[in-house]
Amino acid sequence: GEDVEQSLFLSVREGDSSVINCTYTDSSSTYLYWYKQEPGAGLQLLTYIFSNMDMKQDQRLTVLLNKKDKHLSLRIADTQTGDSAIYFCAETAYGTASKLTFGTGTRLQVTL
Amino acid sequence: DTGVSQNPRHKITKRGQNVTFRCDPISEHNRLYWYRQTLGQGPEFLTYFQNEAQLEKSRLLSDRFSAERPKGSFSTLEIQRTEQGDSAMYLCASSLVWAEGYEQYFGPGTRLTVT
Repeated sequence: GEDVEQSLFLSVREGDSSVINCTYTDSSSTYLYWYKQEPGAGLQLLTYIFSNMDMKQDQRLTVLLNKKDKHLSLRIADTQTGDSAIYFCAETAYGTASKLTFGTGTRLQVTL
Repeated sequence: DTGVSQNPRHKITKRGQNVTFRCDPISEHNRLYWYRQTLGQGPEFLTYFQNEAQLEKSRLLSDRFSAERPKGSFSTLEIQRTEQGDSAMYLCASSLVWAEGYEQYFGPGTRLTVT
């Protein structure tokens, strides 16, 4: 079955780059997503990447996909205190694009 | 576009009571999803609809749970005979089935506490 794993915690200084990593097991994954969740709030879609792509850039966000190793990363350039949140990666299986399978989330702490 | 809305935002109930949550998706979205999130975990899929049809249900959705989307717009999730283990955040999301990335947009969630 599908399994998505993330490290639990990351601390960075304001202005540095953050890199949040994710591994997944389902080789049929087609789309991979990054969501941000602030305390007590729902999930905000940040970006997504299709499985036939290696990289996608969107302003301060860069997504890298290594399909061979089933490894996904999210790089946030010039990290700000407002980026402090929990970041979830999620995947959806080929041909269905229905349910999302989420990782356990990485808590990003941005320090001054 | 007002986004996905959910009501109520918080619900406290006693064990054994029934509760119902409502989700209003983004207006033109034809798919609607329910997820459950417990503390320290990522959301887990419960069920989804395309228009009025309920297309998939997770094994997590016991027979005490029922979801409807009668007119293909808003949806309700009912939990009967609530148990303490039902305490969680219930998240609703919607999407457009022909969107390029099948992106799902989430509401703010309903936090259920069963005492």
